[in-house]
Amino acid sequence: ILNVEQSPQSLHVQEGDSTNFTCSFPSSNFYALHWYRWETAKSPEALFVMTLNGDEKKKGRISATLNTKEGYSYLYIKGSQPEDSATYLCAFPLTGTASKLTFGTGTRLQVTL
Amino acid sequence: NAGVTQTPKFRVLKTGQSMTLLCAQDMNHEYMYWYRQDPGMGLRLIHYSVGEGTTAKGEVPDGYNVSRLKKQNFLLGLESAAPSQTSVYFCASSTQGTQFFGPGTRLTVL
Repeated sequence: ILNVEQSPQSLHVQEGDSTNFTCSFPSSNFYALHWYRWETAKSPEALFVMTLNGDEKKKGRISATLNTKEGYSYLYIKGSQPEDSATYLCAFPLTGTASKLTFGTGTRLQVTL
Repeated sequence: NAGVTQTPKFRVLKTGQSMTLLCAQDMNHEYMYWYRQDPGMGLRLIHYSVGEGTTAKGEVPDGYNVSRLKKQNFLLGLESAAPSQTSVYFCASSTQGTQFFGPGTRLTVL
């Protein structure tokens, strides 16, 4: 992996379903992996910053795990609600400069009743 | 605290016109960034600044210039707008970690 890649591109689930999606990044020279939540017509908001292999972070029904050796992070949403509908972005400092992030194209989640 | 603000929120330009987008932050952050967001492309970095008086090119700098004369402000200029610059522009600031984003400026170039 030479870039920041996210899958799937979009996801449509029913209310109450649990779901997860993936962010892949170069496994060499790891510094930090960021997750953002981006609601339509708003601006991206930070969810998690993950720095250690095996890290697991949680915020309400949303959690994330990190595997720096294989270069991926998973974002999980338990019991999805319509208000979880958003695009979820991950970002990684590809150039090795912590302050300069490269963003993935995001996973667009739509939760319907 | 207002966080990160952007002016204007919307703008329509004709090809060849110039304009400046203003980004202001009140969090005393050293780092500031300008991104553009296009469908299917995600957020792409145009220019960024690691401190007052310094700027650097990002991924897609052509056609844009920036200035950081004051720590709290980061200006993005388009000298001669082109239809390819129709986009939503986001400013962000950080202290070398999590970035905080402004509300965006929707620019249309006809």
